Amino acid sequence: SQKIEQNSEALNIQEGKTATLTCNYTNYSPAYLQWYRQDPGRGPVFLLLIRENEKEKRKERLKVTFDTTLKQSLFHITASQPADSATYLCALGPNNQGGKLIFGQGTELSVKP
Amino acid sequence: DAGITQSPRHKVTETGTPVTLRCHQTENHRYMYWYRQDPGHGLRLIHYSYGVKDTDKGEVSDGYSVSRSKTEDFLLTLESATSSQTSVYFCAIRGLAGGPDTGELFFGEGSRLTVL
Repeated sequence: SQKIEQNSEALNIQEGKTATLTCNYTNYSPAYLQWYRQDPGRGPVFLLLIRENEKEKRKERLKVTFDTTLKQSLFHITASQPADSATYLCALGPNNQGGKLIFGQGTELSVKP
Repeated sequence: DAGITQSPRHKVTETGTPVTLRCHQTENHRYMYWYRQDPGHGLRLIHYSYGVKDTDKGEVSDGYSVSRSKTEDFLLTLESATSSQTSVYFCAIRGLAGGPDTGELFFGEGSRLTVL
């Protein structure tokens, strides 16, 4: 069956450092991969999308890589800030219209001042 | 603001009672989704809709039904609630109104359901 795994442990880093979160998947060939941010008590918020034919995508301090051979995506936050503390979810999307996203369980990031 | 609201935001009910959660959107999106979120499981798809009266099952649909009689409303019903359905339920819509469909979802604020 399809499976997505994110860093199971919470990630604690110092302000100003780069945070790197991992998303691995098996038994799936996604057309695209997305990353969402979720704050406590709130719904997830879309951050970035990367397609299967793209290696890397950037948006301000965020960078996402997508390696379909390794079946892995890495999500980087450079110059991290305490305000970046949240849970980050990866999600895989299929090729068909209206396709159902499959989500990982999320990684909790804590940035200490 | 994607114009999506969920109601009720919090509900406590007893085992065996019916429960209906409502998701309302204001921007004429075609695709709507119901997810549940539980610790250690992440977000799991319950049902989704691709148009009025067009719905399909997700990975955890047992014990749930949905209806979409008009574009703006997507209802999730627990016919007879059980304690295992205690969860946070999120509704989502797909894409930006009038924009290209990139598959991104916009989520509501969630409905926290406790079944005693």
